[in-house]
Amino acid sequence: QQPVQSPQAVILREGEDAVINCSSSKALYSVHWYRQKHGEAPVFLMILLKGGEQKGHDKISASFNEKKQQSSLYLTASQLSYSGTYFCGTEAIQGAQKLVFGQGTRLTINP
Amino acid sequence: SAVISQKPSRDICQRGTSLTIQCQVDSQVTMMFWYRQQPGQSLTLIATANQGSEATYESGFVIDKFPISRPNLTFSTLTVSNMSPEDSSIYLCSVLDRDTSYGYTFGSGTRLTVV
Repeated sequence: QQPVQSPQAVILREGEDAVINCSSSKALYSVHWYRQKHGEAPVFLMILLKGGEQKGHDKISASFNEKKQQSSLYLTASQLSYSGTYFCGTEAIQGAQKLVFGQGTRLTINP
Repeated sequence: SAVISQKPSRDICQRGTSLTIQCQVDSQVTMMFWYRQQPGQSLTLIATANQGSEATYESGFVIDKFPISRPNLTFSTLTVSNMSPEDSSIYLCSVLDRDTSYGYTFGSGTRLTVV
């Protein structure tokens, strides 16, 4: 079952923060986050595993609430390069190696 | 991280014909994954390709329409058969990448237009 992302689209000014949410109705083993720029392949950002861990690098971080089956991606002090469509991908079974992607959140950063 | 070479990058095909998409990985991988992304939409898994066995197809995708080959641990092909305009999409191959803490690395994609 496809996870639900919100919001569907966000428009920000450079330097502002954004939060993108991903919710699943199924128990999850892991949540992946990817960014896809127009005309390019998706690029892996990070993976969060069952256990409710939080990860981050640079000004992009994410959390995974296992009880609620929700993950959030946090973009702090957004840069123009952050523009693109963000997808979460969920994996219900450890080792299944079968990601189900959300519908995507389009992020536009304006100068 | 793994490097995937996918070709062709784009093609325009006549309905009723077939197109074979190739993916070459710079390291040996157990499984390769084929996705479809319709314009402005999310990614949908078509099938998982294991070396030495038949591919495993997701609901809504069948082998006769999307035959897959996996002759070795670094290469796979996806054929889109008997194409119709509804097959116009971006097709991407992907591998699980241990170098990126088990995220997936994608090929650059094949943009297919069927006329």
